[in-house]
Formats: sequence, structure tokens, C-alpha cells
Amino acid sequence: AQKVTQAQTEISVVEKEDVTLDCVYETRDTTYYLFWYKQPPSGELVFLIRRNSFDEQNEISGRYSWNFQKSTSSFNFTITASQVVDSAVYFCALSEARSTLTFGKGTMLLVSP
Amino acid sequence: EAQVTQNPRYLITVTGKKLTVTCSQNMNHEYMSWYRQDPGLGLRQIYYSMNVEVTDKGDVPEGYKVSRKEKRNFPLILESPSPNQTSLYFCASSLFPGDGYTFGSGTRLTVV
Repeated sequence: AQKVTQAQTEISVVEKEDVTLDCVYETRDTTYYLFWYKQPPSGELVFLIRRNSFDEQNEISGRYSWNFQKSTSSFNFTITASQVVDSAVYFCALSEARSTLTFGKGTMLLVSP
Repeated sequence: EAQVTQNPRYLITVTGKKLTVTCSQNMNHEYMSWYRQDPGLGLRQIYYSMNVEVTDKGDVPEGYKVSRKEKRNFPLILESPSPNQTSLYFCASSLFPGDGYTFGSGTRLTVV
């Protein structure tokens, strides 16, 4: 069975600090997909990134970067120079090739000015 | 614009009064699913559908029904709502299970 663990329930940082959100997953499949979603205070779910299990390259998009390590079953998300607008709940999720999307419980990030 | 549309956005109802939350997507996606979000529990899947007339239970299906008569629509039915179904509900669709998922804006349901 697939499982996603986000051990950090809540993180508070001051603007311009870097912050890393941890995600550890469990799966028996060799083919799977990992996702990060952002849920701002307005409530909608915003897609950030999708990674398949065969692509371990790290990815950078502006201030966001993702570190995928199969050896530790982790898919961590780093925000560089955080901003107040980054305050949100962030969800990591996993989908095996023929199954549904399983979410972690989310990490609430609070960025204060 | 490619989107998943849920209605209503907010709903307050009484225990036992049947209700339907509609979900429609315009991307010709095969795969659709319903989630509920509760504090401290994250998002949990209620039902999903791989294609028309094919539906299956997720992690928390009790008290819910779904149907998939057309590819674009996937309504969530609560035949006899109870207060423990008070939650934030999301509909999602994707081309296939590992593809990017598009979520609706959410329906905040309160059952009193």
C-alpha cells in the first residue's frame, strides 16, 4: 500500500529565510509519481510539480526547488528566500501507476514579515 | 479554459436531507475522483472513476455514492447526510492516474 508522510505539521519562518518541507513516501511499485500541491488560505489546491520514479533529477523553478532521492524515499521541497505569499499548507502526494493519489497530511508554512 | 467545476461552493444542510455536489471537467479526462479534507487528516479519497460507468471505493466511501454516466460529470451524492460529513470536498480529474491532477475549487459542506 502506498503511504506519504509529512512529519512537519507546522513551520514558522521569517521572510527571506530558506525553508525545506520534508516528504517521505512508501510504495512497492517501481513506477510511481510524486506531486507537491500548495493550498493557500483561499482554499484551492494549486499544482506545483510532478515527478516520475525514473527521473531523479532535481528541479528548480524560481525560488522553488525539489530534491528527489529514491535511496531514502524522499521528495523534499525547498523555498529559497521565503515570502509572506508563500504562507500556505503544502501537500506531498504519491500515485502508483494504476492507483489513486494518496496525500500526506500536509505542512502548514507560516512566513512572517 | 481547462478546469474542473464544482457546485455549490458552500452548502449548509440538515441531517438526513439528500444532497448532490456536482463536478464537471472540460478536459476529456478519463480519471475523476472525490476527496474530503479534514483538519489534521489531510485529503482522503472517497470514490474514484477510471472511465464512464466504472467507479470504485476510495479510503472513506461510507455514506457517499457516485455515478459516472458521462465522461465529463462525476457527481457526489449524500443520500442521508450526517454531521460527521461536514468537511471540505474536492473533485479532481486527470488524463491517467499518474498524470497531473486538476482540482475543483472545493465545496464546503456543513451538516447540522
